Amino acid sequence: AQSVTQLDSHVSVSEGTPVLLRCNYSSSYSPSLFWYVQHPNKGLQLLLKYTSAATLVKGINGFEAEFKKSETSFHLTKPSAHMSDAAEYFCVVSGLTSGTYKYIFGTGTRLKVLA
Amino acid sequence: GAGVSQSPRYKVAKRGQDVALRCDPISGHVSLFWYQQALGQGPEFLTYFQNEAQLDKSGLPSDRFFAERPEGSVSTLKIQRTQQEDSAVYLCASSFTTSGIYEQYFGPGTRLTVT
Repeated sequence: AQSVTQLDSHVSVSEGTPVLLRCNYSSSYSPSLFWYVQHPNKGLQLLLKYTSAATLVKGINGFEAEFKKSETSFHLTKPSAHMSDAAEYFCVVSGLTSGTYKYIFGTGTRLKVLA
Repeated sequence: GAGVSQSPRYKVAKRGQDVALRCDPISGHVSLFWYQQALGQGPEFLTYFQNEAQLDKSGLPSDRFFAERPEGSVSTLKIQRTQQEDSAVYLCASSFTTSGIYEQYFGPGTRLTVT
């Protein structure tokens, strides 16, 4: 079975400082992992995905994530936070369960960016 | 290009009423998913269609919930005799393939409030 744990429910950073949103996963085989962002009253938008190619994945808006199999982690980072980054972020593992590929979502991390 | 659309965006129902939520996926997308997102939580899988076939309905919380996609494009999620615990955001997502390594594209959701 697959599962995802987002270690922080809330993260606050100052504008211009680095962002780190932590995600650990559990999977019985090589997983596909995703980060999505959800702005208020907006749909979920894909930031980046890992699908067994390069372990350092670059996404939109300057976000990156590194797949570390030994640590079962897929943390999301950004060198410099912008006010527009304030949103809810979800780490997702895609797993085959009962013959269907399902997304398993973490509980989310709300990012607050302080001026 | 057109993304996934959902209607209505907001729905208020009195307890016991039936509701129907519509999803228009991206044209040509084979896979369609429904998720339920409770307040402060990550989305949870409800059901999956591959074209018109409902291949997985393991996440539907009760027999009051059912979904259809009769022509393999538009889908409707119906909730009969709504209860307060059904209050949530209902998200629809589509994907052009059945493989779990490809991303799902999400609609903006329908926020259902049962009073």
